[in-house]
Amino acid sequence: QKEVEQDPGPLSVPEGAIVSLNCTYSNSAFQYFMWYRQYSRKGPELLMYTYSSGNKEDGRFTAQVDKSSKYISLFIRDSQPSDSATYLCAMSGGNQFYFGTGTSLTVIP
Amino acid sequence: SQTIHQWPATLVQPVGSPLSLECTVEGTSNPNLYWYRQAAGRGLQLLFYSVGIGQISSEVPQNLSASRPQDRQFILSSKKLLLSDSGFYLCAWSSGGQYNEQFFGPGTRLTVL
Repeated sequence: QKEVEQDPGPLSVPEGAIVSLNCTYSNSAFQYFMWYRQYSRKGPELLMYTYSSGNKEDGRFTAQVDKSSKYISLFIRDSQPSDSATYLCAMSGGNQFYFGTGTSLTVIP
Repeated sequence: SQTIHQWPATLVQPVGSPLSLECTVEGTSNPNLYWYRQAAGRGLQLLFYSVGIGQISSEVPQNLSASRPQDRQFILSSKKLLLSDSGFYLCAWSSGGQYNEQFFGPGTRLTVL
């Protein structure tokens, strides 16, 4: 079993849709959870950083962590064509740091 | 604010040639530094990380090496490139603990022919 599982997609949605991106993990020692956005041919940029279970909101983005289910999500409201990118989850704790393989998202105008 | 630079941005090299990729960080001191490789459509593969000058840990045995001659400089090298070395190379830094959030540079796209 992989430490972090992320559906690679691709995911294609119309502009204005709500997008849900998810990762599951197996290591209960993970305490810090991150989402990165990577545009084509660019380096990943940190989008959201959360610690512990619960929700964190930043504009159109909401990061959700459910430690009991070992499941994290990133929601994008009112998606825009500029949100088209690959989204990578990442998590750390217990002296380990793992990235998911990324989900490719396309928002169609 | 902190900034991370990588160069060159793109590189095309013949098989068997040497390689040197450079990464520098500004606006922070004693960062943890990382080299990743990202193959097309694949995830990030951690190659090396460093917690201080001259301290390098290798995650994957291969024909690549890394060095950290200065606090905010990280270099990825190879004596003889292989076709399989092609990919997108990313440098990243983090502060504090080794498992804090990482911040990435713009990357170097390497094509070995």
